[in-house]
Amino acid sequence: ETGVTQSPTHLIKTRGQQVTLRCSSQSGHNTVSWYQQALGQGPQFIFQYYREEENGRGNFPPRFSGLQFPNYSSELNVNALELDDSALYLCASSRETGYRSPLHFGNGTRLTVT
Amino acid sequence: DQQVKQNSPSLSVQEGRISILNCDYTNSMFDYFLWYKKYPAEGPTFLISISSIKDKNEDGRFTVFLNKSAKHLSLHIVPSQPGDSAVYFCAASPNTGNQFYFGTGTSLTVIP
Repeated sequence: ETGVTQSPTHLIKTRGQQVTLRCSSQSGHNTVSWYQQALGQGPQFIFQYYREEENGRGNFPPRFSGLQFPNYSSELNVNALELDDSALYLCASSRETGYRSPLHFGNGTRLTVT
Repeated sequence: DQQVKQNSPSLSVQEGRISILNCDYTNSMFDYFLWYKKYPAEGPTFLISISSIKDKNEDGRFTVFLNKSAKHLSLHIVPSQPGDSAVYFCAASPNTGNQFYFGTGTSLTVIP
């Protein structure tokens, strides 16, 4: 069983730039969620994708956007990067949308904005 | 507004003893709770879950207890092993919606 994979593992960007993070879901999983984990904090929900559509969003501005592809992989795009966007970005897949399905996380992408 | 709180940033326990990690929540709509373990440079790994219709769930050395009236859950690890040293997050989800709310984590160190 292939787990959740994320790329790249590390990324350094300049304020104002745009970034795309990628995620492949665990085999058999059709739902992908993205979380942001700032230093010393727990993961915070950005949004979830199910059947290639956004299926719930946390308290993040519209410059955070995403995509899900027919093979259930996903992208997180962040425009107009700000210094506070520096964080670990975690992708998680689950077997189905719905709160009783545990999330299975990838190892994350560490984004640094300078 | 932190709806899930882990008030102990760190905990040290001797190998073979019990580790008890605590978590409090404020939202009475939460009805599904999970614990995750995180090693450095890795993503969180799912450990154990419990729904609000139960007050205890056990899986090997790990047991989660839920006290709904106190809005409190705890994770017991018995016996603790050095490989259990990691950061532990509790998470909760409401009966509507599809997001999980995480605590800030407790760093557990098991001393050999």
